[in-house]
Amino acid sequence: EAGVVQSPRYKIIEKKQPVAFWCNPISGHNTLYWYRQNLGQGPELLIRYENEEAVDDSQLPKDRFSAERLKGVDSTLKIQPAELGDSAVYLCASSSTSAKEAFFGQGTRLTVV
Amino acid sequence: GNSVTQMEGPVTLSEEAFLTINCTYTATGYPSLFWYVQYPGEGLQLLLKATKADDKGSNKGFEATYRKETTSFHLEKGSVQVSDSAVYFCALISYTNAGKSTFGDGTTLTVKP
Repeated sequence: EAGVVQSPRYKIIEKKQPVAFWCNPISGHNTLYWYRQNLGQGPELLIRYENEEAVDDSQLPKDRFSAERLKGVDSTLKIQPAELGDSAVYLCASSSTSAKEAFFGQGTRLTVV
Repeated sequence: GNSVTQMEGPVTLSEEAFLTINCTYTATGYPSLFWYVQYPGEGLQLLLKATKADDKGSNKGFEATYRKETTSFHLEKGSVQVSDSAVYFCALISYTNAGKSTFGDGTTLTVKP
């Protein structure tokens, strides 16, 4: 069974530029998460989807971050414009329901210069 | 809000030594508790879980017991191997908080031959 697939693995951009990350969850998983992981810290939830509905986006900086999950499958996370402080690893995860453990992708390491 | 506090690292042990990584939590209700492991260059993987008080999760020689009275979920292994070198994250899912997940900051374990 394929796991959670994220792309790209690495991204280097200049500040003020836009950037987008893509995630394909495990087939049949209704719940999808986006996390941000800063160096030396644990993942912090940005947004959680149940199918195509964002049920928890309280930690998403909505002035510059946006996300979508069309058709309740793949998801994209966008930052526009990026700031130096956005440098981190962005993790996507999915689970069969929000009550179950999450399975993580390998993440996208973003460096903003 | 919910929180997870892990023993600070890094932890360095010799092969075959006994391992304990402490984890305590604060949450309303009865969360599910998890340990995730991140090997170098890889994504987070679920190591073990426990969903109710006094449950013991176990996998690959690792164990952790859900202690409601002390709000703890300490990770133990009787004899570590070099291949156990990784970052370990304690996490919870709170069902009284709409399925919100919270991670600790991770503990880096290095096992020397």
